[in-house]
Amino acid sequence: EAGVTQFPSHSVIEKGQTVTLRCDPISGHDNLYWYRRVMGKEIKFLLHFVKESKQDESGMPNNRFLAERTGGTYSTLKVQPAELEDSGVYFCASSKRENTGELFFGEGSRLTVL
Amino acid sequence: GENVEQHPSTLSVQEGDSAVIKCTYSDSASNYFPWYKQELGKGPQLIIDIRSNVGEKKDQRIAVTLNKTAKHFSLHITETQPEDSAVYFCAASIGRGFKTIFGAGTRLFVKA
Repeated sequence: EAGVTQFPSHSVIEKGQTVTLRCDPISGHDNLYWYRRVMGKEIKFLLHFVKESKQDESGMPNNRFLAERTGGTYSTLKVQPAELEDSGVYFCASSKRENTGELFFGEGSRLTVL
Repeated sequence: GENVEQHPSTLSVQEGDSAVIKCTYSDSASNYFPWYKQELGKGPQLIIDIRSNVGEKKDQRIAVTLNKTAKHFSLHITETQPEDSAVYFCAASIGRGFKTIFGAGTRLFVKA
């Protein structure tokens, strides 16, 4: 069974540019989450999808961040325009519909904004 | 808001020694406490978890303890091996864990 896959693994952009991160969850996992870890700090919750619906987006920093999950399969997280403080590692995780609590993480997308 | 504090941020031990990582949480409604291990270049992976109706859980060389009154929980690794070197994250969540709050991580070095 394929795990959670994320693309790109690393992106370097200039301040003001746009970046789109993609996440493919484990097949059949209804729950999809985005998290972010800024240098040495906690892994911070951004939002949670159940299929294509946003269940909880309380962690999204501001309106420069837009997450979508059209069709309830893969998800994208767009940052537009990127700022220096957006640098960090963006993790995607998924879990089964009958969530037991365990999150299955991807390897992360490292974003560097110069 | 919900918060999980984790200590220490870095821990270095000799192979064969024990390692202990401690966490505290703020939301008394939290009832699920997972621990994740992140190896270099990989995403975090669940290694053990504990629910609030249990005070201790053990799986081979790792064990977790939970003190709900004090809102503390800890990870204990015995007989450490070089392959235990990684970043460990504690976390807390309520209910079925749809919103999991993580600590800042502990980088564990096990010296051979």
